[in-house]
Amino acid sequence: AQTVTQSQPEMSVQEAETVTLSCTYDTSESDYYLFWYKQPPSRQMILVIRQEAYKQQNATENRFSVNFQKAAKSFSLKISDSQLGDAAMYFCAFLAGGTSYGKLTFGQGTILTVHP
Amino acid sequence: EPEVTQTPSHQVTQMGQEVILRCVPISNHLYFYWYRQILGQKVEFLVSFYNNEISEKSEIFDDQFSVERPDGSNFTLKIRSTKLEDSAMYFCASSNEGTYGYTFGSGTRLTVV
Repeated sequence: AQTVTQSQPEMSVQEAETVTLSCTYDTSESDYYLFWYKQPPSRQMILVIRQEAYKQQNATENRFSVNFQKAAKSFSLKISDSQLGDAAMYFCAFLAGGTSYGKLTFGQGTILTVHP
Repeated sequence: EPEVTQTPSHQVTQMGQEVILRCVPISNHLYFYWYRQILGQKVEFLVSFYNNEISEKSEIFDDQFSVERPDGSNFTLKIRSTKLEDSAMYFCASSNEGTYGYTFGSGTRLTVV
């Protein structure tokens, strides 16, 4: 079974600054995918970024990038030029490969506050 | 952009009553899921559904729960004889290829009183 741990219950950042959210995971799988989801106050889960474990290159999506350290089983999210709209709960999630419909295993979440 | 639609957004029910939570997945998606999030806790997998049958279910998904795709568009989660501890946010999701990430609905907040 997989576990996902987010050790930061809360983080805060000033608008326009950079913040990094941490995530570690434990798995015996060799083929897997990692995701960051954003959950704003509306409660909808929004996919932020995705990383394939077989790719060494870190994924980036505009102001969002990840630092994927496979050996350390670490998958952190960096948000650059933070905006007020980035304020939300952020969840790290793991998906084992091998099927098209596997279940996501989520971390506990990190609440991000953005100060103007 | 295509959306996963869930109704109702909030439902209050008496303990012991049956509830049906409804979802309309994205039309060309093949895989469907239910997750739940008890307030302040992590999001937990309940069940995945493909080709009109359950692909995988969690320990949470016991005989109290059932899923159905009654027509070509709806995907429902039925909870029989609700308990107080069933109070949670229930998310429906769908995917075409799960490794690209799922599309989640906005959730149904279920309150059991």
